[in-house]
Amino acid sequence: AQSVTQLDSHVSVSEGTPVLLRCNYSSSYSPSLFWYVQHPNKGLQLLLKYTSAATLVKGINGFEAEFKKSETSFHLTKPSAHMSDAAEYFCVVSDHASGGSYIPTFGRGTSLIVHP
Amino acid sequence: DAGITQSPRYKITETGRQVTLMCHQTWSHSYMFWYRQDLGHGLRLIYYSAAADITDKGEVPDGYVVSRSKTENFPLTLESATRSQTSVYFCASSESPGVVWREAEQYFGPGTRLTVT
Repeated sequence: AQSVTQLDSHVSVSEGTPVLLRCNYSSSYSPSLFWYVQHPNKGLQLLLKYTSAATLVKGINGFEAEFKKSETSFHLTKPSAHMSDAAEYFCVVSDHASGGSYIPTFGRGTSLIVHP
Repeated sequence: DAGITQSPRYKITETGRQVTLMCHQTWSHSYMFWYRQDLGHGLRLIYYSAAADITDKGEVPDGYVVSRSKTENFPLTLESATRSQTSVYFCASSESPGVVWREAEQYFGPGTRLTVT
């Protein structure tokens, strides 16, 4: 069985300061991991994904995440926050399900607030 | 237009009514999904479909029915709407087999905001 825990429901930063959104996962197999972003009243958009290649993954808009198997973590970071980064962020694990399908499981989301 | 669309974008209905939410994608993706988004719960999977005429339950299927007679369409029906089904519903699709499935990105529609009174 797979699960994902986003450790913070809200993260508040000032513009220009670093961003850290934390995600821990549980998986029986070798998972794929994703971060999606949802801006207000919009659908979700892929930020980045880990698929067992490089453990440090770079995504769009300056975001990156590091896969740490020993810590079962996939934290999302950005060196300098921008006002436009204010959004809801979802960590997702995709693992093997019954019948051979890989069904994604979503975390509950972290709301990133960026102060001027 | 290419992409994934949902209709209607907003819907208000009464308890006990049947309502159908539509989802259409133009990429010929094999997999399609329906999620509901509620505050504090993130996205929860209602149903998914691996191909036309193949559907399976997700985490929260009770009270919902799906069908997939054509690859591009995946309607979601609430047979008898209840207030607990007030939510924002998202449809998503993923690339066809041939891509390592668990690595496949999901593409999301803009959502349907449903209110059951």
